[in-house]
Amino acid sequence: EPEVTQTPSHQVTQMGQEVILRCVPISNHLYFYWYRQILGQKVEFLVSFYNNEISEKSEIFDDQFSVERPDGSNFTLKIRSTKLEDSAMYFCASSSGYQETQYFGPGTRLLVL
Amino acid sequence: AQTVTQSQPEMSVQEAETVTLSCTYDTSESDYYLFWYKQPPSRQMILVIRQEAYKQQNATENRFSVNFQKAAKSFSLKISDSQLGDAAMYFCAYRSARAAGNKLTFGGGTRVLVKP
Repeated sequence: EPEVTQTPSHQVTQMGQEVILRCVPISNHLYFYWYRQILGQKVEFLVSFYNNEISEKSEIFDDQFSVERPDGSNFTLKIRSTKLEDSAMYFCASSSGYQETQYFGPGTRLLVL
Repeated sequence: AQTVTQSQPEMSVQEAETVTLSCTYDTSESDYYLFWYKQPPSRQMILVIRQEAYKQQNATENRFSVNFQKAAKSFSLKISDSQLGDAAMYFCAYRSARAAGNKLTFGGGTRVLVKP
């Protein structure tokens, strides 16, 4: 069964460094998402992406964040200059169509020191 | 803004018994979708069940069923004949039918423990 995959599974970085989190959505999916979960808190929506454009973004998704689909298979989340409060589990998701089920990846645990 | 609340941080159930997880939500919209996602330890979230708000009939998926009370803004999940593999975090989620970006709004989760 096709799955969303994410790399790396864990990443440790120093405050102020740039990180790129990678996701490979399910191959025929057209809609892509990033969510995050700070330890002990709710899963929060960051951004949705369709047709090479951001469809919707949350207040969390400020200028430090960007998303890209650099080729036909990858979907990336870049954090330009990490802060301590960016430490969280980051989940990628994809769906085949508008309002279709979102399938989630296993997450990348990011720790900013 | 929509909010989703799961008031039970943890629930314990004996194998083969039934457990019900609570979820309430707040919205001013009339057209939306509700979901229950399951997240086993160290695994990705998978969809358990989905309910369209315009449907009066409660959704069921094998041993999983919901009690959708639109007026009360309540969406509980019942797991019947619980199995060891049901042990996981369960998240209730809301999605507007009109949002441009298909954003899911999640509750805080309920951890289900299954005792053999």
